[in-house]
Amino acid sequence: RKEVEQDPGPFNVPEGATVAFNCTYSNSASQSFFWYRQDCRKEPKLLMSVYSSGNEDGRFTAQLNRASQYISLLIRDSKLSDSATYLCVVTLNSGYSTLTFGKGTMLLVSP
Amino acid sequence: DGGITQSPKYLFRKEGQNVTLSCEQNLNHDAMYWYRQDPGQGLRLIYYSQIVNDFQKGDIAEGYSVSREKKESFPLTVTSAQKNPTAFYLCASSMGGSYNSPLHFGNGTRLTVT
Repeated sequence: RKEVEQDPGPFNVPEGATVAFNCTYSNSASQSFFWYRQDCRKEPKLLMSVYSSGNEDGRFTAQLNRASQYISLLIRDSKLSDSATYLCVVTLNSGYSTLTFGKGTMLLVSP
Repeated sequence: DGGITQSPKYLFRKEGQNVTLSCEQNLNHDAMYWYRQDPGQGLRLIYYSQIVNDFQKGDIAEGYSVSREKKESFPLTVTSAQKNPTAFYLCASSMGGSYNSPLHFGNGTRLTVT
């Protein structure tokens, strides 16, 4: 089983739709979780950290389910500018070398 | 504005040549990293450094070398021993000291070796 798995997509949705991505992780000792956004041929940029209690930032909601070992990202009212690849990142508690990136889920929002 | 800068953006080299990719940050971050990204693949860690004059191998260090003589700088050399050097190389930094510190990435160097 891969350490961090994401559905590669692409997810094709119309503007205004709600879309959700999941990311599963294999190591139950994982401590920190992040979602990054990567535009085509650009660097990843931090979208949001994922906290145990769940967190929301505008149209974006991130949740963590430790029992089932997955995190999720919900995007409401999709915009054309949301089109990108969304990367899930998981770390163990020993830091530096243990950040593990998923391969990303591609989102395409169409008019 | 604070940030992390990689140069050049595009780099072309002939097989058998060593090449050095630059990475500079003015975020006062302790930790710096080098990742490689191939099409359809997740980011893979090449080297990382937690502090000046110290660095550790990541998952795919073979054929690469680094130095960390200054806090701000973490150059990566792709040597002729690297079998498949063509890739997108990303440098990152973080405050370090905690697994909760997110990474800040440079804008990457796209290396093509022919």
